[in-house]
Amino acid sequence: GAGVSQSPSNKVTEKGKDVELRCDPISGHTALYWYRQRLGQGLEFLIYFQGNSAPDKSGLPSDRFSAERTGESVSTLTIQRTQQEDSAVYLCASSLTSGNTGELFFGEGSRLTVL
Amino acid sequence: AQSVSQHNHHVILSEAASLELGCNYSYGGTVNLFWYVQYPGQHLQLLLKYFSGDPLVKGIKGFEAEFIKSKFSFNLRKPSVQWSDTAEYFCAGYNNNDMRFGAGTRLTVKP
Repeated sequence: GAGVSQSPSNKVTEKGKDVELRCDPISGHTALYWYRQRLGQGLEFLIYFQGNSAPDKSGLPSDRFSAERTGESVSTLTIQRTQQEDSAVYLCASSLTSGNTGELFFGEGSRLTVL
Repeated sequence: AQSVSQHNHHVILSEAASLELGCNYSYGGTVNLFWYVQYPGQHLQLLLKYFSGDPLVKGIKGFEAEFIKSKFSFNLRKPSVQWSDTAEYFCAGYNNNDMRFGAGTRLTVKP
């Protein structure tokens, strides 16, 4: 597609429920990042996918968080047993791999509110 | 550990004032540096980037940034801000697939 697409754009859920967030990167971009942006705070790295390599999960805050990626396309971020502190905007970004310079292209984010 | 820090949390300026937002990085080895901007209600977009060469880089909308290796800094500047520059600005550093962002600086420009 023309840009990074994320869905849903807004999600309100009850504490304890599971949520799944989706990211569709730019076609041809093999690198994909997930970040979390809490209200009034910066971007917190969660996980990074690079082609078929094992993902870098070092930023996932707990074992309630997991992410998958199908080949070099869609990625889903799953949060199990959501807590109120999970409320944030979850941002997905993709970039080229060849000569990866770190220039990321961001989606518009998925705003998660846990009641 | 690699990190990027931004000194100013919220900056308020009047139109036509000059702007400088601070950014410092802590990276071992080569680092690529970026400034991203997030206008209200919009997604993050690239403002400018530094990879190598001329340490003074120019970006969109009259913004520029200077890479000063000795100070580990990459401050963002604009000589005369406009009301439309109201946004959140993020500095970021990249090395070997590790992309780190600063906490962001909110800029409010009063008309």
